[in-house]
Amino acid sequence: DAGVIQSPRHEVTEMGQEVTLRCKPISGHNSLFWYRQTMMRGLELLIYFNNNVPIDDSGMPEDRFSAKMPNASFSTLKIQPSEPRDSAVYFCASSLKGGASPLHFGNGTRLTVT
Amino acid sequence: DAKTTQPPSMDCAEGRAANLPCNHSTISGNEYVYWYRQIHSQGPQYIIHGLKNNETNEMASLIITEDRKSSTLILPHATLRDTAVYYCIVSPLTTDSWGKLQFGAGTQVVVTP
Repeated sequence: DAGVIQSPRHEVTEMGQEVTLRCKPISGHNSLFWYRQTMMRGLELLIYFNNNVPIDDSGMPEDRFSAKMPNASFSTLKIQPSEPRDSAVYFCASSLKGGASPLHFGNGTRLTVT
Repeated sequence: DAKTTQPPSMDCAEGRAANLPCNHSTISGNEYVYWYRQIHSQGPQYIIHGLKNNETNEMASLIITEDRKSSTLILPHATLRDTAVYYCIVSPLTTDSWGKLQFGAGTQVVVTP
């Protein structure tokens, strides 16, 4: 099992540019989560999907952020246009919904917006 | 959701047991206690969880008090690779909140030789 795979590992972009972060969940997992981590706010849940359907996007900071899950093995988080305050580490996690199944996190994408 | 209180930092000697406390005095009957850890530059890693009974797995043991208002994560033989931030989280298993883990500041554990 390769675990949750995120790409790119690092992303540096200029303010105003579009940024797309990618995530491949663990095969067989039916729930996927996007988290963001900053020094000021810690780990925050942005959105989560169940069976490829967005269930709760209340953590998405604003309309510049969007997430999609076109199939069970791929998800994207897009920021357009990006701003310096979006600089953070973005984590993707997957899990089997139901019971107390734990979340399995990827190693994150470190985004720097200059 | 119930909030947790953890000490900001702890030191532990290599080879000794590390006992990490967590207070969750407002925990509800349907809320589980989860422990995750985050090693520098990595994503959070699941360690263990429990509801009422003590739990043990290959990584750690979880001791939950009878009134469920506090718990202790025990790393039986700490190694240098256990240096990480440890998060204690309580979360219910309701449909609305499943998976919505509220991470606090955690405890920075440093294992020294």
